[in-house]
Amino acid sequence: DTGVSQDPRHKITKRGQNVTFRCDPISEHNRLYWYRQTLGQGPEFLTYFQNEAQLEKSRLLSDRFSAERPKGSFSTLEIQRTEQGDSAMYLCASSPTGQETQYFGPGTRLLVL
Amino acid sequence: AQSVTQLGSHVSVSEGALVLLRCNYSSSVPPYLFWYVQYPNQGLQLLLKYTSAATLVKGINGFEAEFKKSETSFHLTKPSAHMSDAAEYFCAIGFTGFQKLVFGTGTRLLVSP
Repeated sequence: DTGVSQDPRHKITKRGQNVTFRCDPISEHNRLYWYRQTLGQGPEFLTYFQNEAQLEKSRLLSDRFSAERPKGSFSTLEIQRTEQGDSAMYLCASSPTGQETQYFGPGTRLLVL
Repeated sequence: AQSVTQLGSHVSVSEGALVLLRCNYSSSVPPYLFWYVQYPNQGLQLLLKYTSAATLVKGINGFEAEFKKSETSFHLTKPSAHMSDAAEYFCAIGFTGFQKLVFGTGTRLLVSP
């Protein structure tokens, strides 16, 4: 059990550029979650996968955001045409089916200039 | 809608003193409650969880929390603070199906020598 990993850990980009983040969940965890955390706030739910199926999306996930989990293993979160308001920590978590605990990765900190 | 409220964005204690971090919840269904800790520039680590078994829950690093349905509370305590406890603490609520967690805004614990 190597834990949830995320790549990159830090990303600085210019407004209008596209960025993509990767999350590798704990092996055999069927459920995968993405959260966004802004400064001074708790994490906010973005989206959730059960295997490769995206089952729930928050209203926070605008059309510029897209998430995939093509083979039910790793997941990617892409932000198109980034805005300064997208600056945040993006957290990934995973859990096995039927278990309530979510295990979080170290996060990707995005800064949009 | 289910939610959690953390009273006090900052709590300061002296090393060796009692730690008390407050969390109240609102839920129309039996909740699952969690406390997570976040160190600077890191992801969230689970401290403890309540899942309708024992109301007094013991976690890692000497922390414990008591679920009080009558008070809709799940306060986190530790008898004696250590310098290494300085971090941000988040209370979170989950629901049947475990599709997402809803977090409070966090409490920063400061420990002075």
